[in-house]
Amino acid sequence: GQQVMQIPQYQHVQEGEDFTTYCNSSTTLSNIQWYKQRPGGHPVFLIQLVKSGEVKKQKRLTFQFGEAKKNSSLHITATQTTDVGTYFCAGPETSGSRLTFGEGTQLTVNP
Amino acid sequence: IAGITQAPTSQILAAGRRMTLRCTQDMRHNAMYWYRQDLGLGLRLIHYSNTAGTTGKGEVPDGYSVSRANTDDFPLTLASAVPSQTSVYFCASRVTSGGAQNEQFFGPGTRLTVL
Repeated sequence: GQQVMQIPQYQHVQEGEDFTTYCNSSTTLSNIQWYKQRPGGHPVFLIQLVKSGEVKKQKRLTFQFGEAKKNSSLHITATQTTDVGTYFCAGPETSGSRLTFGEGTQLTVNP
Repeated sequence: IAGITQAPTSQILAAGRRMTLRCTQDMRHNAMYWYRQDLGLGLRLIHYSNTAGTTGKGEVPDGYSVSRANTDDFPLTLASAVPSQTSVYFCASRVTSGGAQNEQFFGPGTRLTVL
């Protein structure tokens, strides 16, 4: 079946440093989604990328979808303590009705 | 109700007991999902329902059952709980018509401990 892998599993940064998490799928994806889960909270949708090579920005967050639509990345510029949490990527299965989530990258930001 | 609610918030359960986790959404979303979240394993799909009256198995369905009698409710039942079912359970929903984006909306979760 489809596999979605994320690296790194954990990332500790000093406030102000940049952060990147990478997502790789075993199959070509029609789209990729990113979610953020704050400690003790539930996953919250951040963004969806659909086009090959697409880049989208949300303030300090930059999301990229690879040309082959099998990988994606999330980059945070100048991290803040409010960025703490686990970031998940997710890709739809062929049927489109279900998502396969990556294992997530847990970000810790030291003030 | 606004969004998705789950009950209970947390539960400690003796092994062998039957337990139903409740999930209700008021967004009229046709698709609903149950995930379990374990440290280092991300979110794994247990069961899903594309529309009322239909259900399907996800990645880790064994030991769990679901029903979807109506659009709003999607209960998850553990017939005979075992310690390996200790986890945080999230219910989610999404709309699948009208060209809407594919995002899933998650409930607050149920933390279940099976002793």
